[in-house]
Amino acid sequence: GAVVSQHPSWVICKSGTSVKIECRSLDFQATTMFWYRQFPKQSLMLMATSNEGSKATYEQGVEKDKFLINHASLTLSTLTVTSAHPEDSSFYICSARETGGNAGYTFGSGTRLTVV
Amino acid sequence: GENVEQHPSTLSVQEGDSAVIKCTYSDSASNYFPWYKQELGKGPQLIIDIRSNVGEKKDQRIAVTLNKTAKHFSLHITETQPEDSAVYFCAASMNFGNEKLTFGTGTRLTIIP
Repeated sequence: GAVVSQHPSWVICKSGTSVKIECRSLDFQATTMFWYRQFPKQSLMLMATSNEGSKATYEQGVEKDKFLINHASLTLSTLTVTSAHPEDSSFYICSARETGGNAGYTFGSGTRLTVV
Repeated sequence: GENVEQHPSTLSVQEGDSAVIKCTYSDSASNYFPWYKQELGKGPQLIIDIRSNVGEKKDQRIAVTLNKTAKHFSLHITETQPEDSAVYFCAASMNFGNEKLTFGTGTRLTIIP
């Protein structure tokens, strides 16, 4: 079945630094990928929709200059958390669906970000 | 936009019994309804999904029912096993594959051995 690889699985960074998270569709092409954030014991909240070759679409309240999204190819999207602060500590998850296919959305394994 | 409500928030079931989780959605244009299982520290895993042209779908011990008129859908797990313990999320989408998923608030299911 479809596999989405997400790296790193966890990262600890100092406040003020930037962190990049990668999301790859391993065996299919994905025109669109989605980035979610999940706080402990809460649901997944969509942050942005990543479109290959064009600008990402951000949800209301999500700072596009802080959460930079790049979808440079049909198999890779990256999320960069810039100038990270402790309140950015969360579980970040990406998802993708095969372009033109009939399968559902596949999720990555998530990245636990801790900002100290 | 779409709003998805999910109940109950927690559910404890004796091993071997059935578990039912219910979701309601607000937008009648939604046409795709997946269910995900999430284990601690992992991403959600699709366990079953249903589209609006079908009223029921079953896969071994798992089934999903959809009532478009009432705008609600349910997950049914029969013969529950300890490994079924996890958090379950329902979701809805207005245009399968091209639109974002709106998630429910989640149900923490605990199977009591």
